[in-house]
This record gives sequence, C-alpha cells and structure tokens, in this order.
Amino acid sequence: AQTVTQSQPEMSVQEAETVTLSCTYDTSENNYYLFWYKQPPSRQMILVIRQEAYKQQNATENRFSVNFQKAAKSFSLKISDSQLGDTAMYFCAFSLSGATNKLIFGTGTLLAVQP
Amino acid sequence: DTGVSQDPRHKITKRGQNVTFRCDPISEHNRLYWYRQTLGQGPEFLTYFQNEAQLEKSRLLSDRFSAERPKGSFSTLEIQRTEQGDSAMYLCASSLGQGDSGELFFGEGSRLTVL
Repeated sequence: AQTVTQSQPEMSVQEAETVTLSCTYDTSENNYYLFWYKQPPSRQMILVIRQEAYKQQNATENRFSVNFQKAAKSFSLKISDSQLGDTAMYFCAFSLSGATNKLIFGTGTLLAVQP
Repeated sequence: DTGVSQDPRHKITKRGQNVTFRCDPISEHNRLYWYRQTLGQGPEFLTYFQNEAQLEKSRLLSDRFSAERPKGSFSTLEIQRTEQGDSAMYLCASSLGQGDSGELFFGEGSRLTVL
C-alpha cells in the first residue's frame, strides 16, 4: 500500500520570501505521479504542480518548483516570492500511472503568508 | 468553463436521518471520485466510477453509504442513518480518463454536520 507523509502541520513565511514544504511517500511501484494540490480557505482544491516519476527533471510552474528525489522517496515543494494569495492548505498526493488516477493524500501543511 | 459542481454545499441533519449529495462532473470526464475530508486531515478516497460502473470502493464506505452514477453523468452519494462520525466535507472530483495527465478536478465540496 502507498502512503504519503507531510510532517509540517503549519508553516509561516513572509511575503516575497521563499518557503519549502516537505513530503515523503512510500511505494514499491516504479511508475507513478506525484502532485501538490492547494486548498484555499472555503474554496476548491486546485492542482499546483505535477511530477511524473520516470522524469528526472524537476517540474516547475512559475513560482512553484519541486525537488523530486526518487531514491529517497521525497517530493518537496518550493514557493518563491510568496504572495498573500498563496495562503492555503497544501496537500501532497500520489497516484499510480496507468491506473484509476485515484489520489492518496498526505495530511496537509497549512501555509500562512504574512504581510 | 464549467467545473465540478456539488450540491448542497452545506447540510445539517439530525442523527439517524438520510442525506444525499449530488456531484456534476466536467462534462467530458469519464472518471468520477468521491472523497471524505475531516478537519485537519487530507481527503480520504471513498469510491470511483468509470462511466456508470463503480469500479472501486474503500473500506471506509460502510453499508450505510451508497453511491451511484446513472448514465455515466452526475453522481449521488447517499448516507443512511447518519451518525455524528459522518460529519465531514464530502468532495467530488473528476478526470478525463485513460491517457490523461492524472490530474483530478475537484468540486467545492458538500459539508455535512450531523447533530
């Protein structure tokens, strides 16, 4: 069975600074996807960034980038130039490639961006 | 652009009553998922549909829970004889299907409060 662990329940960062959210996972499979989803207060969950396990290059999306360490089963999210709108719960998630797309989530990290 | 919509957004009920939630996925999406999210936790998978077929159910889905997706379009999640432990946010998500990016698109959720 796959598991996803987020060890930081809460994080705080000053506006315009950089913050890194941690995530580790456990699987015996070789082909899978990893995701970071953002859930703003009282709003729907949206995809921030996605990584395919077979790709060695780390994914980037504007101010968001990941550090994917497959051997260590680590998948951290770096947010650069933090903005007030980045305040949200961030969930790390895992799914198997070529399967049902069912996501397995971590417990989340609540990020607060301070003005 | 019509996303995933869920109704009602909030339901308050007394213990022992039945409740039903509806989810309308993105129109061309073949796959539909139900998740449950309690306070401070990540979403937990409940069940998955490929078109009208319910292909996977979590052990979390007790006999009091039933989900349907007639004609492969909208889906309903019914909880019979509600208990206080059923209080949670029920999230619906959809995805395109095989060969897609693995991304799930979420609705805003239906919050259930059982008194």
